[in-house]
Amino acid sequence: AQSVAQPEDQVNVAEGNPLTVKCTYSVSGNPYLFWYVQYPNRGLQFLLKYITGDNLVKGSYGFEAEFNKSQTSFHLKKPSALVSDSALYFCAVRPNSGNTPLVFGKGTRLSVIA
Amino acid sequence: EADIYQTPRYLVIGTGKKITLECSQTMGHDKMYWYQQDPGMELHLIHYSYGVNSTEKGDLSSESTVSRIRTEHFPLTLESARPSHTSQYLCASSDTTGLQGGETQYFGPGTRLLVL
Repeated sequence: AQSVAQPEDQVNVAEGNPLTVKCTYSVSGNPYLFWYVQYPNRGLQFLLKYITGDNLVKGSYGFEAEFNKSQTSFHLKKPSALVSDSALYFCAVRPNSGNTPLVFGKGTRLSVIA
Repeated sequence: EADIYQTPRYLVIGTGKKITLECSQTMGHDKMYWYQQDPGMELHLIHYSYGVNSTEKGDLSSESTVSRIRTEHFPLTLESARPSHTSQYLCASSDTTGLQGGETQYFGPGTRLLVL
């Protein structure tokens, strides 16, 4: 069965500094990997996904993520954090074989301090 | 933002009442999902559907039921609401055209339910 781990419940970063939100996964076969963001009192918004090809994926709002197969990781990154990036971030995985729903991590709360 | 709608956005109701949370999407997506999420916490998949007349239970044991009579509509019903049902309910949909499994799920804005 597939699973996702987001080892940090909370990440704090100063505005203008780079940010990283960590995600590791476990799946049979090759994965499809996703990042979503949730602002207060809203649904989840899609940020980016890795399907195949280039390991570095660029997404919305200046975010990017790097797929690392050997470390089974898909960390979310941004070179320069904004206060408006403060939100809850979810990593999700689905195996590329079979027809199963996404499995989500528990989420990481990002707080960007001015 | 994706074209997926949920009503009501907020609902306060007494114990024992029957409620239906509505979810509809205008994108023609064949897959639809319901998640339960306590504020700021993880998501729990409670039901999903891969097409009309197809419904499956998710990972979280739930006292709710769903139906999928039309592609665009996926309502969630609680026959008898209890305080333990107080939570946020998120609906999502995705499209299987293209790469199987690689499709993006799009989420609605959610319904916040408070059962007194």
